Amino acid sequence: EPEVTQTPSHQVTQMGQEVILRCVPISNHLYFYWYRQILGQKVEFLVSFYNNEISEKSEIFDDQFSVERPDGSNFTLKIRSTKLEDSAMYFCASSVIQGNEQFFGPGTRLTVL
Amino acid sequence: EDQVTQSPEALRLQEGESSSLNCSYTVSGLRGLFWYRQDPGKGPEFLFTLYSAGEEKEKERLKATLTKKESFLHITAPKPEDSATYLCAVLSGGSNYKLTFGKGTLLTVNP
Repeated sequence: EPEVTQTPSHQVTQMGQEVILRCVPISNHLYFYWYRQILGQKVEFLVSFYNNEISEKSEIFDDQFSVERPDGSNFTLKIRSTKLEDSAMYFCASSVIQGNEQFFGPGTRLTVL
Repeated sequence: EDQVTQSPEALRLQEGESSSLNCSYTVSGLRGLFWYRQDPGKGPEFLFTLYSAGEEKEKERLKATLTKKESFLHITAPKPEDSATYLCAVLSGGSNYKLTFGKGTLLTVNP
């Protein structure tokens, strides 16, 4: 069964460093998303991406964040200058069309020291 | 602002003891309600989508139902492997893409 994959599973970085989280969405899906979950809190929407453009973003997704689809399979989230409060699980998701169920990857645990 | 409230926060059941989890929502035009299962340290695993009041979906020991204000996830004769956090999320008319999640219900099924 096709699934969303994410790398790395765990990333440790120093405050102020740049990190790139990678995702491979399900191959026939057209819509891609990033969510985050701070330990013990709700899953929160960050951004959605379709047709090589951001289609929607939350107030969390400020200028420190960017997304890119560098090739036909990968979808990345970049955090330019990490802060302690960026420590969280980051989930990539994808869906066939908008409004349909979103399928989530296993997540990347980001720890900012 | 869309709001999703799940209750109870935690639920302990004995194996075989059926129960229900609740998800109440306040949204500007519901476009879809989604149930997910999340195991510790893992991503949410899709279970069901419900689009309109009165709709029901079933999968093994789980059944999801939807009214105009809430959804229920009924668990019949649960087994220890059903232990997980169950998440409810909504897609509202204010967005084509953003899922708003509840905090989840942590279900523990004891053998």
